[in-house]
Amino acid sequence: DVKVTQSSRYLVKRTGEKVFLECVQDMDHENMFWYRQDPGLGLRLIYFSYDVKMKEKGDIPEGYSVSREKKERFSLILESASTNQTSMYLCATLTPPYEQYFGPGTRLTVT
Amino acid sequence: QKEVEQDPGPLSVPEGAIVSLNCTYSNSAFQYFMWYRQYSRKGPELLMYTYSSGNKEDGRFTAQVDKSSKYISLFIRDSQPSDSATYLCAMSFGYSSASKIIFGSGTRLSIRP
Repeated sequence: DVKVTQSSRYLVKRTGEKVFLECVQDMDHENMFWYRQDPGLGLRLIYFSYDVKMKEKGDIPEGYSVSREKKERFSLILESASTNQTSMYLCATLTPPYEQYFGPGTRLTVT
Repeated sequence: QKEVEQDPGPLSVPEGAIVSLNCTYSNSAFQYFMWYRQYSRKGPELLMYTYSSGNKEDGRFTAQVDKSSKYISLFIRDSQPSDSATYLCAMSFGYSSASKIIFGSGTRLSIRP
């Protein structure tokens, strides 16, 4: 059973803080993803990685960076948090070509 | 224009009704068509997938793909309150080292007892 875990379910940060969201998977999947989900906008891809130390920009990478030092761990970094980054953040892995496994999500509030 | 368009709803139907959820898409290169279900405060989970055109049935759920019209549907028969969730259509191009999935914005469905 694939498991994708995220470090926090709820997080409150202040504007300007550097924020780290951690994601760990236990199924040896190559591909990992970070999305944000907002009402009316659906899932938007921030970054993805198809191998260790490899990363690709998604549709909305501005204000974010990622790190993948080990295959099982994919981190999302908000360099300087802003209120418009308040959102639900979802990490996922992929068994190509169609099965995506999601973590439970981190609801981030930036005040 | 978004690659995948989905009516956000919300959609509210009585228990036992047949539900029809739909998406349209613009890129004819999509090969795999999926439906994900997301319960409140959880991540989405794969419900069904279809390769290319045609129908696929799984219990009370039927997925249809019409590639000529670039239109996909999910039908739920004998809907139950436990089917209340957000349903996201999704598509992919196929196998590739840098695979990714394109999601619709999701339709929120509520089944009234």
